[in-house]
Amino acid sequence: AQKITQTQPGMFVQEKEAVTLDCTYDTSDPSYGLFWYKQPSSGEMIFLIYQGSYDQQNATEGRYSLNFQKARKSANLVISASQLGDSAMYFCAMREVGGSYIPTFGRGTSLIVHP
Amino acid sequence: DVKVTQSSRYLVKRTGEKVFLECVQDMDHENMFWYRQDPGLGLRLIYFSYDVKMKEKGDIPEGYSVSREKKERFSLILESASTNQTSMYLCASSLSPGLQSPTGNTIYFGEGSWLTVV
Repeated sequence: AQKITQTQPGMFVQEKEAVTLDCTYDTSDPSYGLFWYKQPSSGEMIFLIYQGSYDQQNATEGRYSLNFQKARKSANLVISASQLGDSAMYFCAMREVGGSYIPTFGRGTSLIVHP
Repeated sequence: DVKVTQSSRYLVKRTGEKVFLECVQDMDHENMFWYRQDPGLGLRLIYFSYDVKMKEKGDIPEGYSVSREKKERFSLILESASTNQTSMYLCASSLSPGLQSPTGNTIYFGEGSWLTVV
């Protein structure tokens, strides 16, 4: 069963507007971490933001914030004030602290920022 | 800063060749991973290693093997390359995950190796 679901294959946003990329996850481990990565066309995977399952507050890193709704098992990425350089693939990932430690990834969302 | 270095960015190999993809990390990470990425399929785990000389099969190990003789280096080997192994290969590393430890849980990636088998 898929542990990470990203339901938006592609998203479009106007420059300077905010955009939300959806991610839902499935786990029975009470201790886990959630990540978002950005992959530009050059291919490297760039770590953006981390949220731990016990964190009380939503994680923020500059223009990135993670809207963590634990009961709904959702970890949406919010990018504020979109820039042209934000155009890329975005991957949501989860790592359970118990079990095998293996990180699992969603299939990604392609974000295009229009001028 | 964590540095994960993949030895080759772009490779073109012939069918049947033995191919080595090398990955080195400089942060003393215990865990290392090899993923394959194909359009529409996301990242698929080939092999991973918890520590030196330890290796475990991932979701798609067929046609691949790995070697981890030193902690900093994790090699992916295609014993006899085939055209269906044309793909982008990503190496990653991390500390062993700890309870609510952002540093320990974060996975860091190399720049990727684009392999074409002809």
